[in-house]
Amino acid sequence: DADVTQTPRNRITKTGKRIMLECSQTKGHDRMYWYRQDPGLGLRLIYYSFDVKDINKGEISDGYSVSRQAQAKFSLSLESAIPNQTALYFCATSDDQGQGRELFFGEGSRLTVL
Amino acid sequence: GESVGLHLPTLSVQEGDNSIINCAYSNSASDYFIWYKQESGKGPQFIIDIRSNMDKRQGQRVTVLLNKTVKHLSLQIAATQPGDSAVYFCAERNQAGTALIFGKGTTLSVSS
Repeated sequence: DADVTQTPRNRITKTGKRIMLECSQTKGHDRMYWYRQDPGLGLRLIYYSFDVKDINKGEISDGYSVSRQAQAKFSLSLESAIPNQTALYFCATSDDQGQGRELFFGEGSRLTVL
Repeated sequence: GESVGLHLPTLSVQEGDNSIINCAYSNSASDYFIWYKQESGKGPQFIIDIRSNMDKRQGQRVTVLLNKTVKHLSLQIAATQPGDSAVYFCAERNQAGTALIFGKGTTLSVSS
């Protein structure tokens, strides 16, 4: 089983619909992240959380919200989806120990907004 | 603002050749850098990292070089194999030290 699991893996929805992408992890890490990937733009940070009571905006948080339901669960919501939110979304985790901040990524959730 | 970029969006090499993927970063205060590999349909996977107090770090068939003077990072892959075909991202820790900022990626294609 994957250490970082994202659901759904693929979703097609219509403009204006509310969408939730879920992420769960078995790595025991405190830190969780949501990134968005678009062709030619790399990965951009949407939100991150360092523990259950901590939520922080990333560089492109507008139009998104998150919920850290537990140490192992971090969900991303699009309250009213729009076509330019069509992208590949990745959840990632990291621990708060050590000198580096290596991220462990899920397999991605591909979202298409029509 | 912070940005991490790659010099070339694509790189094509022959199997067995050495590959060099380049990355320029903008934050001179960055203290930590990572290279990730993303295979088709998968999430990015860690390859190698380097801290700013180092110039070079070697792994299995991969070497990362850091030139802080010109804010340049490179990934060298020795004896490139078809399985190395993927998109490669460099990333640096952001100014707050709270997250990684990624470059746009270089697609490496290895032909037999």
